[in-house]
Amino acid sequence: AQKVTQAQTEISVVEKEDVTLDCVYETRDTTYYLFWYKQPPSGELVFLIRRNSFDEQNEISGRYSWNFQKSTSSFNFTITASQVVDSAVYFCALSDGRDSSYKLIFGSGTRLLVRP
Amino acid sequence: DTGVSQDPRHKITKRGQNVTFRCDPISEHNRLYWYRQTLGQGPEFLTYFQNEAQLEKSRLLSDRFSAERPKGSFSTLEIQRTEQGDSAMYLCASSSSRDRGDTEAFFGQGTRLTVV
Repeated sequence: AQKVTQAQTEISVVEKEDVTLDCVYETRDTTYYLFWYKQPPSGELVFLIRRNSFDEQNEISGRYSWNFQKSTSSFNFTITASQVVDSAVYFCALSDGRDSSYKLIFGSGTRLLVRP
Repeated sequence: DTGVSQDPRHKITKRGQNVTFRCDPISEHNRLYWYRQTLGQGPEFLTYFQNEAQLEKSRLLSDRFSAERPKGSFSTLEIQRTEQGDSAMYLCASSSSRDRGDTEAFFGQGTRLTVV
Protein backbone atom coordinates (compact mmCIF):
# COMPACT_ATOMS: atom_id res chain seq x y z
CA ALA A 1 0.00 0.00 0.00
CA GLN A 2 1.09 3.55 -0.58
CA LYS A 3 1.45 5.95 2.29
CA VAL A 4 2.94 9.35 3.01
CA THR A 5 3.89 10.35 6.53
CA GLN A 6 4.57 13.90 7.67
CA ALA A 7 5.39 13.46 11.32
CA GLN A 8 5.66 17.17 12.07
CA THR A 9 2.18 18.51 12.66
CA GLU A 10 3.23 22.08 13.29
CA ILE A 11 6.50 24.00 13.22
CA SER A 12 7.05 27.54 14.46
CA VAL A 13 10.18 29.51 13.57
CA VAL A 14 11.31 33.08 13.68
CA GLU A 15 11.81 34.89 10.40
CA LYS A 16 15.18 34.24 8.73
CA GLU A 17 15.60 30.85 10.38
CA ASP A 18 16.06 27.79 8.16
CA VAL A 19 13.42 25.10 8.49
CA THR A 20 13.17 21.53 7.19
CA LEU A 21 9.88 19.75 6.64
CA ASP A 22 10.11 15.98 6.72
CA CYS A 23 8.35 13.53 4.42
CA VAL A 24 8.60 9.75 4.49
CA TYR A 25 6.81 7.64 1.91
CA GLU A 26 5.94 3.99 1.40
CA THR A 27 5.42 2.28 -1.92
CA ARG A 28 6.25 -1.06 -3.46
CA ASP A 29 6.49 0.44 -6.91
CA THR A 30 9.79 1.20 -8.58
CA THR A 31 8.32 4.02 -10.64
CA TYR A 32 6.64 6.79 -8.72
CA TYR A 33 6.48 10.55 -8.39
CA LEU A 34 6.86 12.71 -5.32
CA PHE A 35 5.41 16.18 -4.88
CA TRP A 36 5.28 19.09 -2.50
CA TYR A 37 2.32 21.46 -2.39
CA LYS A 38 1.78 24.62 -0.35
CA GLN A 39 -1.68 25.49 0.99
CA PRO A 40 -1.93 29.11 2.16
CA PRO A 41 -4.93 30.28 4.21
CA SER A 42 -6.84 31.04 1.00
CA GLY A 43 -7.16 27.29 0.46
CA GLU A 44 -5.78 26.49 -2.96
CA LEU A 45 -2.96 23.99 -3.22
CA VAL A 46 0.06 25.51 -4.93
CA PHE A 47 2.37 23.12 -6.75
CA LEU A 48 6.02 23.46 -5.68
CA ILE A 49 7.94 20.51 -7.10
CA ARG A 50 7.70 17.07 -8.66
CA ARG A 51 10.45 14.44 -8.64
CA ASN A 52 10.39 11.04 -10.26
CA SER A 53 11.82 7.97 -8.61
CA PHE A 54 14.71 7.69 -11.06
CA ASP A 55 16.06 11.15 -10.33
CA GLU A 56 17.68 11.43 -6.93
CA GLN A 57 19.41 14.71 -7.62
CA ASN A 58 18.66 17.31 -5.04
CA GLU A 59 17.06 20.47 -6.30
CA ILE A 60 17.32 24.09 -5.30
CA SER A 61 14.93 26.82 -6.34
CA GLY A 62 15.68 30.15 -4.71
CA ARG A 63 15.19 29.71 -0.96
CA TYR A 64 13.66 26.27 -1.43
CA SER A 65 15.59 23.01 -1.64
CA TRP A 66 14.59 19.38 -1.69
CA ASN A 67 16.53 16.32 -0.55
CA PHE A 68 15.34 13.03 -2.09
CA GLN A 69 16.84 9.88 -0.60
CA LYS A 70 15.51 6.55 -1.84
CA SER A 71 17.56 4.63 0.74
CA THR A 72 15.49 6.15 3.54
CA SER A 73 12.31 6.74 1.48
CA SER A 74 12.42 10.40 2.33
CA PHE A 75 11.77 13.58 0.39
CA ASN A 76 12.50 16.47 2.73
CA PHE A 77 11.91 20.14 2.01
CA THR A 78 14.07 22.95 3.37
CA ILE A 79 13.25 26.64 3.37
CA THR A 80 16.28 28.84 3.87
CA ALA A 81 15.94 32.24 5.51
CA SER A 82 12.22 31.79 6.11
CA GLN A 83 9.82 34.68 5.62
CA VAL A 84 6.40 35.43 7.07
CA VAL A 85 4.87 34.75 3.64
CA ASP A 86 6.07 31.16 3.91
CA SER A 87 3.47 30.55 6.63
CA ALA A 88 1.14 27.88 5.26
CA VAL A 89 0.38 24.17 5.41
CA TYR A 90 2.76 22.11 3.32
CA PHE A 91 1.79 18.75 1.89
CA CYS A 92 3.99 15.99 0.58
CA ALA A 93 2.31 13.64 -1.92
CA LEU A 94 3.03 10.44 -3.83
CA SER A 95 1.78 9.22 -7.19
CA ASP A 96 2.15 5.70 -8.49
CA GLY A 97 3.80 5.65 -11.88
CA ARG A 98 1.91 2.52 -12.88
CA ASP A 99 -1.43 4.08 -12.03
CA SER A 100 -2.70 5.68 -15.19
CA SER A 101 -4.79 8.12 -13.18
CA TYR A 102 -1.73 9.68 -11.49
CA LYS A 103 -3.89 10.38 -8.49
CA LEU A 104 -2.09 11.81 -5.48
CA ILE A 105 -1.73 10.24 -2.04
CA PHE A 106 -1.18 13.07 0.43
CA GLY A 107 0.39 13.21 3.84
CA SER A 108 -1.47 14.94 6.64
CA GLY A 109 0.51 18.13 6.18
CA THR A 110 2.84 20.27 8.27
CA ARG A 111 1.65 23.70 9.38
CA LEU A 112 4.52 26.19 9.25
CA LEU A 113 4.26 29.41 11.18
CA VAL A 114 6.95 31.99 10.54
CA ARG A 115 6.91 34.72 13.16
CA PRO A 116 8.31 38.17 12.50
CA ASP B 1 -6.66 31.05 -18.65
CA THR B 2 -6.20 31.87 -14.97
CA GLY B 3 -6.21 28.35 -13.61
CA VAL B 4 -8.72 25.95 -12.12
CA SER B 5 -11.85 27.66 -10.86
CA GLN B 6 -14.49 26.28 -8.54
CA ASP B 7 -17.94 27.52 -7.72
CA PRO B 8 -19.24 28.22 -5.17
CA ARG B 9 -16.41 28.94 -2.78
CA HIS B 10 -18.62 28.33 0.23
CA LYS B 11 -21.86 26.44 0.68
CA ILE B 12 -23.95 26.03 3.81
CA THR B 13 -26.80 23.57 3.53
CA LYS B 14 -29.23 21.80 5.79
CA ARG B 15 -28.87 18.10 6.35
CA GLY B 16 -30.82 16.13 3.78
CA GLN B 17 -30.55 18.73 1.02
CA ASN B 18 -28.79 18.16 -2.29
CA VAL B 19 -25.82 20.27 -3.34
CA THR B 20 -23.89 20.61 -6.58
CA PHE B 21 -20.42 22.02 -7.10
CA ARG B 22 -18.80 23.05 -10.34
CA CYS B 23 -15.19 22.91 -11.49
CA ASP B 24 -13.73 24.54 -14.58
CA PRO B 25 -10.30 23.06 -15.28
CA ILE B 26 -7.43 24.64 -17.17
CA SER B 27 -8.69 24.59 -20.73
CA GLU B 28 -6.08 22.35 -22.32
CA HIS B 29 -6.08 19.80 -19.49
CA ASN B 30 -7.75 16.48 -20.25
CA ARG B 31 -7.52 15.02 -16.74
CA LEU B 32 -9.76 16.20 -13.92
CA TYR B 33 -9.81 15.10 -10.29
CA TRP B 34 -12.00 15.64 -7.27
CA TYR B 35 -10.54 15.43 -3.77
CA ARG B 36 -12.03 15.93 -0.33
CA GLN B 37 -10.15 17.55 2.54
CA THR B 38 -11.29 17.55 6.14
CA LEU B 39 -9.86 19.78 8.84
CA GLY B 40 -6.27 18.98 9.71
CA GLN B 41 -5.92 16.32 7.04
CA GLY B 42 -4.48 16.08 3.58
CA PRO B 43 -6.76 15.85 0.55
CA GLU B 44 -8.20 12.42 -0.24
CA PHE B 45 -8.90 11.26 -3.77
CA LEU B 46 -12.56 10.91 -4.75
CA THR B 47 -12.73 10.45 -8.50
CA TYR B 48 -10.92 10.98 -11.79
CA PHE B 49 -11.94 11.82 -15.35
CA GLN B 50 -9.97 11.57 -18.53
CA ASN B 51 -11.81 13.74 -21.00
CA GLU B 52 -15.50 12.90 -20.43
CA ALA B 53 -14.92 9.38 -19.10
CA GLN B 54 -15.00 8.77 -15.36
CA LEU B 55 -12.24 6.19 -15.04
CA GLU B 56 -11.83 5.75 -11.31
CA LYS B 57 -13.89 6.24 -8.16
CA SER B 58 -12.67 5.95 -4.60
CA ARG B 59 -14.50 3.88 -2.01
CA LEU B 60 -15.01 7.23 -0.26
CA LEU B 61 -17.48 8.10 -2.99
CA SER B 62 -20.73 6.71 -1.61
CA ASP B 63 -23.87 6.22 -3.66
CA ARG B 64 -25.00 9.69 -2.63
CA PHE B 65 -22.14 11.23 -4.60
CA SER B 66 -22.13 11.56 -8.37
CA ALA B 67 -19.76 13.35 -10.66
CA GLU B 68 -20.00 14.22 -14.33
CA ARG B 69 -17.84 15.84 -16.93
CA PRO B 70 -19.99 16.36 -20.01
CA LYS B 71 -18.02 17.00 -23.19
CA GLY B 72 -14.77 16.72 -21.28
CA SER B 73 -14.82 20.33 -20.15
CA PHE B 74 -16.23 21.47 -16.80
CA SER B 75 -17.22 18.97 -14.14
CA THR B 76 -19.93 18.84 -11.50
CA LEU B 77 -19.98 16.99 -8.19
CA GLU B 78 -23.39 16.40 -6.66
CA ILE B 79 -24.06 15.20 -3.15
CA GLN B 80 -27.58 13.98 -2.46
CA ARG B 81 -29.20 13.88 0.97
CA THR B 82 -26.25 15.59 2.61
CA GLU B 83 -25.06 14.43 6.02
CA GLN B 84 -23.01 16.31 8.60
CA GLY B 85 -20.07 14.04 7.82
CA ASP B 86 -20.01 15.49 4.31
CA SER B 87 -18.78 18.81 5.71
CA ALA B 88 -15.36 19.32 4.14
CA MET B 89 -13.42 21.21 1.52
CA TYR B 90 -13.97 19.78 -1.96
CA LEU B 91 -11.00 20.39 -4.21
CA CYS B 92 -10.82 20.06 -7.97
CA ALA B 93 -7.59 19.61 -9.88
CA SER B 94 -6.62 19.23 -13.51
CA SER B 95 -3.58 18.04 -15.39
CA SER B 96 -2.50 17.09 -18.85
CA SER B 97 -1.54 13.66 -20.07
CA ARG B 98 -0.58 14.88 -23.51
CA ASP B 99 2.91 15.98 -22.57
CA ARG B 100 4.90 12.95 -21.49
CA GLY B 101 5.99 13.38 -17.88
CA ASP B 102 3.84 16.44 -17.21
CA THR B 103 1.81 14.88 -14.48
CA GLU B 104 1.59 17.63 -11.92
CA ALA B 105 -1.93 18.63 -11.02
CA PHE B 106 -3.10 22.19 -10.55
CA PHE B 107 -5.74 22.79 -7.93
CA GLY B 108 -8.62 25.17 -7.59
CA GLN B 109 -9.39 27.10 -4.41
CA GLY B 110 -11.98 24.57 -3.35
CA THR B 111 -15.59 24.63 -2.24
CA ARG B 112 -16.06 24.57 1.51
CA LEU B 113 -19.25 22.70 2.39
CA THR B 114 -20.88 23.02 5.79
CA VAL B 115 -23.85 20.79 6.54
CA VAL B 116 -25.92 21.99 9.49
